[in-house]
Formats: sequence, C-alpha cells, structure tokens
Amino acid sequence: GQQVMQIPQYQHVQEGEDFTTYCNSSTTLSNIQWYKQRPGGHPVFLIQLVKSGEVKKQKRLTFQFGEAKKNSSLHITATQTTDVGTYFCAVNSGGSNYKLTFGKGTLLTVNP
Amino acid sequence: GAVVSQHPSWVICKSGTSVKIECRSLDFQATTMFWYRQFPKQSLMLMATSNEGSKATYEQGVEKDKFLINHASLTLSTLTVTSAHPEDSSFYICSAQGPVNQPQHFGDGTRLSIL
Repeated sequence: GQQVMQIPQYQHVQEGEDFTTYCNSSTTLSNIQWYKQRPGGHPVFLIQLVKSGEVKKQKRLTFQFGEAKKNSSLHITATQTTDVGTYFCAVNSGGSNYKLTFGKGTLLTVNP
Repeated sequence: GAVVSQHPSWVICKSGTSVKIECRSLDFQATTMFWYRQFPKQSLMLMATSNEGSKATYEQGVEKDKFLINHASLTLSTLTVTSAHPEDSSFYICSAQGPVNQPQHFGDGTRLSIL
C-alpha cells in the first residue's frame, strides 16, 4: 500500500512563530488528507487536497499539494497555544474501501 | 454533522476479560467503518475495515479471533477484544465513512487498560 513520510516528528515554537509540517511519498497520490489530534483527543479532519498544485487556506492554516502530487505541506502562520497537537497527513491505501495510511505525525508544542 | 460516537471512553479490567467497544455514526449512514489502534506518541495503525453486512477485512498481523468486529447496521460497528491481556492495553479509535472517497470521521476513542 501507499507509504508516506512525515517530518519533522516534533516541533516546538514560541507563540507567534510559524510552523510547517511536510509529507512526502515516493508514488503519485490520488489525494491527501490532513488531520489534527489534540493531546488526549481523537483525530479531527482538517482538509482534503486532490488537485495538482492545489493550495487551500483555513484562517492561519495553508495547505499545499505538490505539482507532482507526491508531497504536501501544512503551514501555520503566527502559531497560538490552541494550535498545540499532532498533525497527521493521511493517504488512501488503495482498494475499494479507501482505507487511509497515516503519516507518523508532527507534534507541535507552543510556548506562550 | 458527521458525528461519530464511541463507547465506552475508558475501560479498566482484569486480564482474561472480553471487552466490547461500540462505534455509532449518529447523523449519517456509514458505508464503511474502520478500527485503529494507537500507542502513546505514535501514529494510528489500521486494524481492520468493516462494511455493513459483510466480514471485516483485517490488516496483516492483526488476529481476527482476538479482535472480533461486527458491523450489523449502517450506523453501528463493534469491536470485541477477546480474553484481553496487558499487551492489548492501548487507545482504540473507530472512524466512519459515508460516501466513498469522503473523509473519515473519528469517534472519541476508547482507552483500554488491562491489569
């Protein structure tokens, strides 16, 4: 099935600094999804990217899908303490059930 | 919309006990439900995929006799951890998907601790 590498594993920032997490695949992806999991919580769907070169914004969050559809990034501008959590990318593993393979996640901590 | 309820949220029980976890989609019909396991500070590992009315498809390395999955209706799937042992202690999360290729919506998870 599809595999995806996600970096960095951890990121600690001062409140107000920017943050970026990256996901890379060796194969072309049909789409990529991003989830956020707060400490002690469950993953919450953020967005799905489908088109080559796609860029989507949600307030301070910017999501990009590479032109070759092999990589993606999530960028947070001016982090806040509420951004704390683990951010996962997830890709379809193929097959008719559209099961997801999750990246290892990036744990973001924000110092107030 | 797209609310998934998972129950119980926390279970502590003795070794050898069987534990049933329920996953319900409250406001949509889930064509497919997924069961994940997550160890502390690690990613989600898919255990199995279930479709209503058919047998679950288990991922490699997951014992189907250990983790029994029943998907009796389009809104309910259950995971039973049979004869649980301390190594089965983990965070179990279900997700539900409506139309294919749509996002999965996750339950709150169940923290299982086997003493």
